Amino acid sequence: AQSVTQLDSQVPVFEEAPVELRCNYSSSVSVYLFWYVQYPNQGLQLLLKYLSGSTLVESINGFEAEFNKSQTSFHLRKPSVHISDTAEYFCAVSLNTGGFKTIFGAGTRLFVKA
Amino acid sequence: DTGVSQDPRHKITKRGQNVTFRCDPISEHNRLYWYRQTLGQGPEFLTYFQNEAQLEKSRLLSDRFSAERPKGSFSTLEIQRTEQGDSAMYLCASSLTQGFSSGANVLTFGAGSRLTVL
Repeated sequence: AQSVTQLDSQVPVFEEAPVELRCNYSSSVSVYLFWYVQYPNQGLQLLLKYLSGSTLVESINGFEAEFNKSQTSFHLRKPSVHISDTAEYFCAVSLNTGGFKTIFGAGTRLFVKA
Repeated sequence: DTGVSQDPRHKITKRGQNVTFRCDPISEHNRLYWYRQTLGQGPEFLTYFQNEAQLEKSRLLSDRFSAERPKGSFSTLEIQRTEQGDSAMYLCASSLTQGFSSGANVLTFGAGSRLTVL
C-alpha cells in the first residue's frame, strides 16, 4: 500500500530565507505526486504536480519540487519565502495504474516570520 | 462555475443523532471524493465515486457512514448515531479525469463541513 511521510510538522523561517519541506513516499508501483496548500481559513488547493517527464516541476508563485525516484522523495523548495507563504502544505500521491484515490501526508505548517 | 460547494459549513450535534452533509461538485467533473481531516492531520480518504458509481470505500468508513451520488451530480454523506470520535472536518473534492484507470487526479476541494459531536 502507498503511504506519504512529511518529515517536519512545523517549519518556522524568516522572510526572504530559503525553505525546504520534505516529503517521502512509499509505493510498490509508480505514482503521480502532488503538493497541495491550505492558506488560513481557505480550502486545499493544488500547488504543483508531477505526472511524467521532467523531474523538476514549478508553481506560479516560485515553489519547485523535484521527483527523486531512487530516494522516493518529492521535496518542496522555495529560494526566498514571503509572509504570504504562511500556510499548511500537504504532499500527496496517487497511483498511475488502476488506483483512484489520492493519499495525503500529515502536512507541514510553514510559518514565515518578518 | 463556483467551484465545489459544501453544506452546511458547520454542524454541532449531540451524540447519537444523525447528520447529513451535501457536496455539489464542479458540474463537468466525473469523480467525487470524500475525505475526513482532524486537527494536525492530513485528509484521510473515505470514499470515491466515478459518476454515480461508488467504486471504493475506506476501512475508516464504518457501517454508520453512507454516501450516495444519485444521478452522478451532487453527493451526500450521512453519519448515523454520531459518536464524539466523528468530530472532524469532512472534505469533498471533485476531479475531471480522462480514462477509467487514470490516477492522475487533480482534486478541487470544497471549504469543508466541520462536525462537532457533543
